[in-house]
Order: sequence, then C-alpha cells, then structure tokens
Amino acid sequence: NAGVMQNPRHLVRRRGQEARLRCSPMKGHSHVYWYRQLPEEGLKFMVYLQKENIIDESGMPKERFSAEFPKEGPSILRIQQVVRGDSAAYFCASSQDSYEQYFGPGTRLTVT
Amino acid sequence: AQSVTQPDIHITVSEGASLELRCNYSYGATPYLFWYVQSPGQGLQLLLKYFSGDTLVQGIKGFEAEFKRSQSSFNLRKPSVHWSDAAEYFCAVGGFGNEKLTFGTGTRLTIIP
Repeated sequence: NAGVMQNPRHLVRRRGQEARLRCSPMKGHSHVYWYRQLPEEGLKFMVYLQKENIIDESGMPKERFSAEFPKEGPSILRIQQVVRGDSAAYFCASSQDSYEQYFGPGTRLTVT
Repeated sequence: AQSVTQPDIHITVSEGASLELRCNYSYGATPYLFWYVQSPGQGLQLLLKYFSGDTLVQGIKGFEAEFKRSQSSFNLRKPSVHWSDAAEYFCAVGGFGNEKLTFGTGTRLTIIP
C-alpha cells in the first residue's frame, strides 16, 4: 500500500510565477490536509479538504493561495504570483477517518 | 485556541542514555495527542498517538508517552536512545470535530557517542 505521494519533491520558481503542488492520498483515504513548514519552524495548518469540498481553510492566506481536491485525481495546492516569503516545505497529509494523519515527503519550494 | 509548547529547542544525549522530550498543550476539549519524527529533508512519521483510555501509550521504535491531564502534558520517553534516533521531534494536538493538527515548534535531538 503506497503512502502519501507528493510531487514534485523540489520546485524552483521565480518571483511572480505560479507554483502547483500535487498530493495523492493513501488508497482509501478521502481526507486531505495541507501544512506549511517555514525554515526552523513547526508545521502550520493551511487547509483541510474532502473530495470536491473545502472543509476548513482557516490557515490559508487570503490571497494568491488556493486548493482543490477533485473527484478524480490528486489534490492541488496552487500559489499564484509567488514571492520569496512563500519559500517553504509544503506537506500533505491524508486520513481515512480524520483522526490519524499520514504525511507525504513534502515539496520544497524555493522562490528566487 | 489550541496550542502546543515544546520548551526544549535542542537536546543532546549520549547513545544508550534515556530520553524525555517535553510537550505541553492547550485545548478546550478532550485532546487527541500525537508525536511525529522528522529526519532531515524527509516527511513526518507518526511515532504514537493518544485518543483515550490508558494514559501510557506505546509507539514504534521503542518510544512511549504519558498523557497527564492535570499537567496538560504529553511527554515522550525512550529508555535507551540509538544513534538513528537523531532527528526532529514534533508534538501535535487535534480533536474530535477539529481535525486540523496544531504542532509545536519541535525539538532537535542530537546523539553523541
């Protein structure tokens, strides 16, 4: 049983470009969470999604960030017009019952 | 608002010595508590979790943690550390109907020979 998959593992973008981060949850999991980890800090919750629905986006910046989890395919975290402060590791987690979350390896975004 | 405090930013222990990592939480209802470990450049691996029942929980890799409601603590322990335990350790809290996890800032563990 494959774990949570994230791609790409490393992403470099210039300021003003768009970043798309993908997350495929574990088989049978219908809950997806996105977290951001800034250098030397813990993980901060961004958004919680179930299939085709955003359940909690209280941690998402109000502008430039969006997330989706379509009926088919992976969950996507999209960052428009990236800035240097967006450089971080972005982790996706999935769960079957919304209690025990399994984390992916993360995508490390560098904005130059 | 929920929060987690890990007061020790960095801990160094000798291989074979015992270990205790501290975690204090703030949560308005019955908490679900977790310890995760992160190796450099890697994702997070779940070590153990507490939902209810016995307050001493056993996890993987020989780790255990004890939930103390009166102290709002969930400290992680291991009787004898191995060099491979060197990593960053994160405590997290969540709860029923509040599925997002709130993480502490982490404790970096260094093992010396």
